[in-house]
Amino acid sequence: EIVMMQSPATLSVSPGERATLSCRASQSVSSNLAWYQQKPGQAPRLLIYGASTRATGIPARFSGSGSGTEFTLTISSLQSEDFAVYYCQQYNNWPPYTFGQGTKLEIK
Amino acid sequence: QVQLVQSGAEVKKPGASVKVSCKASGYTFTSYGISWVRQAPGQGLEWMGWISAYNGNTNYAQKLQGRVTMTTDTSTSTAYMELRSLRSDDTAVYYCAREWRYCSGGSCYTLFDYWGQGTLVTVSS
Repeated sequence: EIVMMQSPATLSVSPGERATLSCRASQSVSSNLAWYQQKPGQAPRLLIYGASTRATGIPARFSGSGSGTEFTLTISSLQSEDFAVYYCQQYNNWPPYTFGQGTKLEIK
Repeated sequence: QVQLVQSGAEVKKPGASVKVSCKASGYTFTSYGISWVRQAPGQGLEWMGWISAYNGNTNYAQKLQGRVTMTTDTSTSTAYMELRSLRSDDTAVYYCAREWRYCSGGSCYTLFDYWGQGTLVTVSS
């Protein structure tokens, strides 16, 4: 089973600033990595797939990069609606699909 | 538009079973698989298993083998997840998610593009 590790667990950033979230896989997942956003009481929402492709309707301020075992999600200028928990997920080797433990992005 | 609408919250005693439904609309049900993902209170996401809505093939997470059964009813475009022998650590929000398949570089991959609203299952004596 591929273990996904996210850092930091909590990130405090001011609105308008840039946020950088990291995700590491225990073995290579190529570019088969997705990012999801989850707000309290809501289901996760797909943001990024293929490590760097934005899903339909996702604003350009969200960008993803990386391949192999190291990945990054960058939010270029934080809006109030971006404060949430973010999960990475590998879909290169399944079963099982595996998720990171999440990064909580909070307002500084 | 694509929608996955799940059944309501459940409270069960330890040892009981629960069956959660997920009704799909806005797309051809048999063209996509459905995965189930759960989230314990304050915790991350755990994949439970997958079912093909086309032929009913399933693949379950190893830790749930023997306790979980996933089925579909194509006449009503509904997927079901039954979990038996419930324990307190099964308390979680259970989500269904549509598996979207895309192809790149000669290979095809699946991930989750639409999710249900979640069903809270509480296991308590």
